[in-house]
Amino acid sequence: RKEVEQDPGPFNVPEGATVAFNCTYSNSASQSFFWYRQDCRKEPKLLMSVYSSGNEDGRFTAQLNRASQYISLLIRDSKLSDSATYLCVVNVLLGNKLVFGAGTILRVKS
Amino acid sequence: GAGVSQSPRYKVAKRGQDVALRCDPISGHVSLFWYQQALGQGPEFLTYFQNEAQLDKSGLPSDRFFAERPEGSVSTLKIQRTQQEDSAVYLCASSGPRQYFGPGTRLTVT
Repeated sequence: RKEVEQDPGPFNVPEGATVAFNCTYSNSASQSFFWYRQDCRKEPKLLMSVYSSGNEDGRFTAQLNRASQYISLLIRDSKLSDSATYLCVVNVLLGNKLVFGAGTILRVKS
Repeated sequence: GAGVSQSPRYKVAKRGQDVALRCDPISGHVSLFWYQQALGQGPEFLTYFQNEAQLDKSGLPSDRFFAERPEGSVSTLKIQRTQQEDSAVYLCASSGPRQYFGPGTRLTVT
């Protein structure tokens, strides 16, 4: 079983739609949590950190449920430019290696 | 620019050849990570340096893989006697408060 599991998709949605991605992690000692975005043939880039209280950054909302070991990302009012692979990432020790899920593909169509 | 740089960006190697991949981290970043990303997968941890010390090499898939960072700055990932299954993108990340990824080296072994 992989340490971080995600639905690979693809999620095909029209512009303006709301879309949600989920992720589960297996290591209960995980300390920090992130969503990264990766465009085709590019490096991963940090989209947002995820906090237990939930956090929002513009159209993006991230939630963490430590009891269920579950992380989510909600994107509202999808734009064409949101099309990418979204990687769920956990870090067991602060400053140490990141553990990535396989990614969820999002395609936003006009 | 001030980001992480990697070279070469693309490398084609015949099976059995040795390759060396270079990473120039962000100046002043103490921590440096190498990841391997196979097609359709998330990055997977290979090894981690703090300054010149290799603190974790648990992700290196075989003894054909070797990494060094002799002066605590530039790092080299060397793969000896390359095999087809080594074909992947090799990502380097350097870490201050968070990890910043380089553009990667795409290795194709024929």
